Amino acid sequence: GEDVEQSLFLSVREGDSSVINCTYTDSSSTYLYWYKQEPGAGLQLLTYIFSNMDMKQDQRLTVLLNKKDKHLSLRIADTQTGDSAIYFCARQSGTALIFGKGTTLSVSS
Amino acid sequence: EAGVAQSPRYKIIEKRQSVAFWCNPISGHATLYWYQQILGQGPKLLIQFQNNGVVDDSQLPKDRFSAERLKGVDSTLKIQPAKLEDSAVYLCASSPVGQGYEQYFGPGTRLTVT
Repeated sequence: GEDVEQSLFLSVREGDSSVINCTYTDSSSTYLYWYKQEPGAGLQLLTYIFSNMDMKQDQRLTVLLNKKDKHLSLRIADTQTGDSAIYFCARQSGTALIFGKGTTLSVSS
Repeated sequence: EAGVAQSPRYKIIEKRQSVAFWCNPISGHATLYWYQQILGQGPKLLIQFQNNGVVDDSQLPKDRFSAERLKGVDSTLKIQPAKLEDSAVYLCASSPVGQGYEQYFGPGTRLTVT
């Protein structure tokens, strides 16, 4: 299987919470990341979590890490239409990153 | 603080032609990365520089791709000759040393090979 796996699509209604899930195979990564990519743009770092943490909260974003199951999730509270984008999970490998294929989040009003 | 700059933003070439992309990282960032992002995929690392030295180029197709970072600042990535499968977005990223490996990405160059 892929090194970093994500579901490809998620559709939510404005105001709902979104949860994007990611699994990875190599547990040696010190950091795990979430990036956002809007159409025609580069990748924007949203947040990252250190591997010895279970949770990190940053305003509307909550990252949960289950190291035993090698599972990472990103929860976006009160999802807005401006949150529509592709979200990439990535794990650190040395000082480079290995990305999943991305989850397209579609927010309808 | 200015972000990572890349040019051109778009390029269309025919197969077997050559092409070059330019990247200017965030000021003071010692580490520079080139990633290839094929449509529907996540970015894949091509090459990583630390100052003007190569740290990792294991994924770079060296028979046709080359990259340099001569003065430890700007970088160029070249493809010669291009193939149809090189159609992708080429992303440059930079990172300060010792700050959690945070990488900051430029807007990318979209290459179409016909």
